[in-house]
Formats: sequence, structure tokens, C-alpha cells
Amino acid sequence: GQNIDQPTEMTATEGAIVQINCTYQTSGFNGLFWYQQHAGEAPTFLSYNVLDGLEEKGRFSSFLSRSKGYSYLLLKELQMKDSASYLCAVRDNNGNQFYFGTGTSLTVIP
Amino acid sequence: GAGVSQSPSNKVTEKGKDVELRCDPISGHTALYWYRQSLGQGLEFLIYFQGNSAPDKSGLPSDRFSAERTGGSVSTLTIQRTQQEDSAVYLCASSLLGSTEQYFGPGTRLTVT
Repeated sequence: GQNIDQPTEMTATEGAIVQINCTYQTSGFNGLFWYQQHAGEAPTFLSYNVLDGLEEKGRFSSFLSRSKGYSYLLLKELQMKDSASYLCAVRDNNGNQFYFGTGTSLTVIP
Repeated sequence: GAGVSQSPSNKVTEKGKDVELRCDPISGHTALYWYRQSLGQGLEFLIYFQGNSAPDKSGLPSDRFSAERTGGSVSTLTIQRTQQEDSAVYLCASSLLGSTEQYFGPGTRLTVT
């Protein structure tokens, strides 16, 4: 089966840095995705990694190690509006299916 | 431009009734996905359409679930003889062929009483 693991909840302070980890065990791999989902809203795309290494996009960065089945999302200079659920997803080899983790609920406190 | 739209936004139905959920993807997007998100759970893949190719139905949980995509655009997800465990938010997403980014609609919250 497909297994995507993320911590359920995290809390961090405004202005700080937080790292959200994701480990995966899937039968195929064709990219790892991070999405942000505010309560009651649709997920929005944050980042995509298919090769090992770090992808930086403003305050957000995402890292991938395919050999370890591991990724993390790094959020810098946290703002209150970053309070949301962060979903890790793996796309399978044929590119059709995305397997999502249960999401990490991040709360940013003043 | 307009994003992905879904209707209805909320649907309450009695157990045993059939429901239809609609998704209007972004114009020109050839790929369309349906997902289900239950309370406290991640997104569960249901079905994938790509152009005129046969859909990937491998995620549909039972034969009570079916989906169509007419004219390569609008899609309808049908759940027959609804059960209480079908209660969830049903999300639709679309993307351009070869694109890494999926654009999600606001979802339909289905409650089966």
C-alpha cells in the first residue's frame, strides 16, 4: 500500500522558522508536492520536488531525498496567516494518482 | 480568470438517496481529478480524467460511485444509494497536460443523514 506520514499538529511563533516533515513509502514516485489548505477552503499548490535537493520559493522552501523517502517544507518568517493545514502528496509513476498525507495543522501564535 | 467551480457547495441527503456533484474545470485544462476528504483525513483519490482517454477509476471506493466528463469539460460525480460513511467534502481539481500544478475547486460538503 501507499503510506504518507506527517505530524498531525505543530505550533510555532510568529517570525520564527518551522519545518514540517513528510516521509513516504509508495510503489512508485513521480514527484512530491506540498499544498496549503486553510480551514474550510480548497488546497492551494505550494511546491513541487522531483529531484533531490532544495527548492526555494520566497518564504517557503521544500526539500526532497528520494533515497530516504523524505521531504520537508520549511516556512520562514512565520506570519499569522500561515496558520493552516499543510498537505504532503506523492504522485505515482503513471502521473494519474496523487497520494496525500493526512496533513499537518500548523498554528502560528503571537 | 475563473477558477474551478463546484456545485452545490453543500448537500444534505437522506441515506439511500442518489446525489450528483458537479465540477466545472478551468477552461483548457485537460486533466480533471475527483478527491474525497473526510474529517481529519487526507485527500483520497477517486478518479482521474485526461482528455479523451479512458478515465482512471481505480480510486472509486465502491460500484455506487461513478463519474462522467462530458465534452472534455464539465464532470459529474454520482453516488447512488448514499450511506452515512459517504459524508465528506468532495473536491475537484484540474490541470493542464504535463503541468505539475493542480487547481482545486472549493468542494462540495456532503452530509448523509
